[in-house]
Amino acid sequence: GENVGLHLPTLSVQEGDNSIINCAYSNSASDYFIWYKQESGKGPQFIIDIRSNMDKRQGQRVTVLLNKTVKHLSLQIAATQPGDSAVYFCAENIDAGGTSYGKLTFGQGTILTVHP
Amino acid sequence: NAGVMQNPRHLVRRRGQEARLRCSPMKGHSHVYWYRQLPEEGLKFMVYLQKENIIDESGMPKERFSAEFPKEGPSILRIQQVVRGDSAAYFCASSPRPGATNEKLFFGSGTQLSVL
Repeated sequence: GENVGLHLPTLSVQEGDNSIINCAYSNSASDYFIWYKQESGKGPQFIIDIRSNMDKRQGQRVTVLLNKTVKHLSLQIAATQPGDSAVYFCAENIDAGGTSYGKLTFGQGTILTVHP
Repeated sequence: NAGVMQNPRHLVRRRGQEARLRCSPMKGHSHVYWYRQLPEEGLKFMVYLQKENIIDESGMPKERFSAEFPKEGPSILRIQQVVRGDSAAYFCASSPRPGATNEKLFFGSGTQLSVL
C-alpha cells in the first residue's frame, strides 16, 4: 500500500555540522509534506512544511527539499546543536485543493543524535 | 494560551479493564484528531472528530475502541477490555479548521498506556 518511509533510522553528527534527514514517499497524490520533531516524552512539534508546487523551502536553520520526480523529501538542519537531538518524522497529507483535513501519514522516524 | 492538554500522561491498566484518555484541544479549536504511536514507529491516524460528530474513524479498530467529542468537555478516546497490544502512546491533535495545511495541527504530549 501507499506509505511514507525513511532511508536511515539513526543519524549521529557533531555539534556544528549540518544534518540531512531523508524521507521517501510513494503516494503520488500527496501534495503537502511536513517535518516534525519529537523529543522524548513529548508530542510531535511542527518544524517546516512544503507544498508539492515547490521544491525548496527555508526556515530558521532548516531547509526542506522536495523532489517529486523520485518522490523524495529531505530535511536539512544547519549548524546542528545538541538541542536538535530528537526523532524526526516526515508526514504527508493530501490537500485536495484545501478541502482535506489533518489526516497525516507519518514515516517511521529518524533518530538524530548530536554530540557536543 | 495553553496548548493541547492530554490526561493522564501515564495510564496503567490490566488486561480486560477499560482505558479512558482525555484531550482538551487548544482554545478556539473545534477539530480533534487521535493518533497512536507504537514503540519505534511513526504515528498512525485513528479518528477525526468535530464537536459532537465523528468525521473519519477509518484508522480506529472496529471493536473495543470508541471516541467522542461532546459539545461541552474534552474529547475522550475509550478502549474497552484492553489487551497488551493496546500498549502505546496515544496523541491528540487539534486545529481551528479542518485542514492540516494553512492551519497546522498542534499535538499534545500524549498518554502512555501500559497494559499489564
